[in-house]
Amino acid sequence: NAGVTQTPKFQVLKTGQSMTLQCAQDMNHNSMYWYRQDPGMGLRLIYYSASEGTTDKGEVPNGYNVSRLNKREFSLRLESAAPSQTSVYFCASRIGNEKLLFGSGTQLSVL
Amino acid sequence: ILNVEQSPQSLHVQEGDSTNFTCSFPSSNFYALHWYRWETAKSPEALFVMTLNGDEKKKGRISATLNTKEGYSYLYIKGSQPEDSATYLCAPSPSGYNKLIFGAGTRLAVHP
Repeated sequence: NAGVTQTPKFQVLKTGQSMTLQCAQDMNHNSMYWYRQDPGMGLRLIYYSASEGTTDKGEVPNGYNVSRLNKREFSLRLESAAPSQTSVYFCASRIGNEKLLFGSGTQLSVL
Repeated sequence: ILNVEQSPQSLHVQEGDSTNFTCSFPSSNFYALHWYRWETAKSPEALFVMTLNGDEKKKGRISATLNTKEGYSYLYIKGSQPEDSATYLCAPSPSGYNKLIFGAGTRLAVHP
């Protein structure tokens, strides 16, 4: 009954470094999402995956890549981190058009 | 990209006041409207998912109404309490799309 699990919870990167944020859900949800929190702009959608094997761009996809490895896991990769990517990242999942369930977030700082 | 507008951007009320805010969205191709409550340093939590024109949903002191023909939803909080302080987000879900785009939110502060 873990719900949506994100790792890591905190990360500090230097400009140009790469990293992958992991997200897994154990609720057999078909859709998964990555959002970032921006001051004054709420949550902005980076990428989403409607089902295993498919991914689509959201509002702010530049600088990110995603992989829907299987039904449970949806990872977000920063190939060359930039200070503008300093944010809190939330993963979420749902089934059909039901409510989103969010993970606890990953706080990322890029120096 | 969906044009989702929430107003006001922020709101300060006294404990015990009732308050309401608005979410406006494109009325064409509508399927559902989501409301979420987002407390500082926590994850957003769903309040309501509404699909029918004229629908009204209630959860404790919080209720919401939906007008799909004109493209708006109201969220009401009756007798606000300090623990209601949060950002309230809405997200319309168009028919045939799995994408869920949020408005910028209404930040509510309830003062004792």
